[in-house]
Amino acid sequence: DAKTTQPTSMDCAEGRAANLPCNHSTISGNEYVYWYRQIHSQGPQYIIHGLKNNETNEMASLIITEDRKSSTLILPHATLRDTAVYYCIVRVANSGNTPLVFGKGTRLSVIA
Amino acid sequence: NAGVTQTPKFQVLKTGQSMTLQCAQDMNHEYMSWYRQDPGMGLRLIHYSVGAGITDQGEVPNGYNVSRSTTEDFPLRLLSAAPSQTSVYFCASSYLGFDYTFGSGTRLTVV
Repeated sequence: DAKTTQPTSMDCAEGRAANLPCNHSTISGNEYVYWYRQIHSQGPQYIIHGLKNNETNEMASLIITEDRKSSTLILPHATLRDTAVYYCIVRVANSGNTPLVFGKGTRLSVIA
Repeated sequence: NAGVTQTPKFQVLKTGQSMTLQCAQDMNHEYMSWYRQDPGMGLRLIHYSVGAGITDQGEVPNGYNVSRSTTEDFPLRLLSAAPSQTSVYFCASSYLGFDYTFGSGTRLTVV
């Protein structure tokens, strides 16, 4: 059973904020939300992860709802180089014993 | 610091041939994984390792073997190549298990 549900595709105008949603209604208390992205033909790239508090780094912000059943990845000022497939992954906290398992992700197209 | 290095970048095999895809990292990462990505599809986990001498199967392990004799290297062996193994193979590593670094991939075609 899929742990996360993401829209298949989204468009965003260049320079605007890109808000990528993810539903994870069955998330457990010890599971984190991770976001990765894959730019065409390249290996995936780690973006951010969080447990329950909102997180921000140089790439993006992660907003997790209070009930933890959904989250949103925000790219504040999308550029053409942000066009990629974005993967939301739910996984036990910081545990290499539980490897990353990718779903289908959201294909984000940033349009000039 | 070269990150995750995968070799070769491209390979064409004949059905039935065997080969080893190399993956090396110089970041002293304990956690390493192998994925395959078929055209237009998502990544599927083949095998993974949580340290030297420890490996485990992922979602699609059949037809592949791995070993982890050193922290740095995690080779993936194709025992008898089949056209269904035509794919792009990615290796990844992580120190703490959350922010994986991926290699640039090996594009394999089996004819």
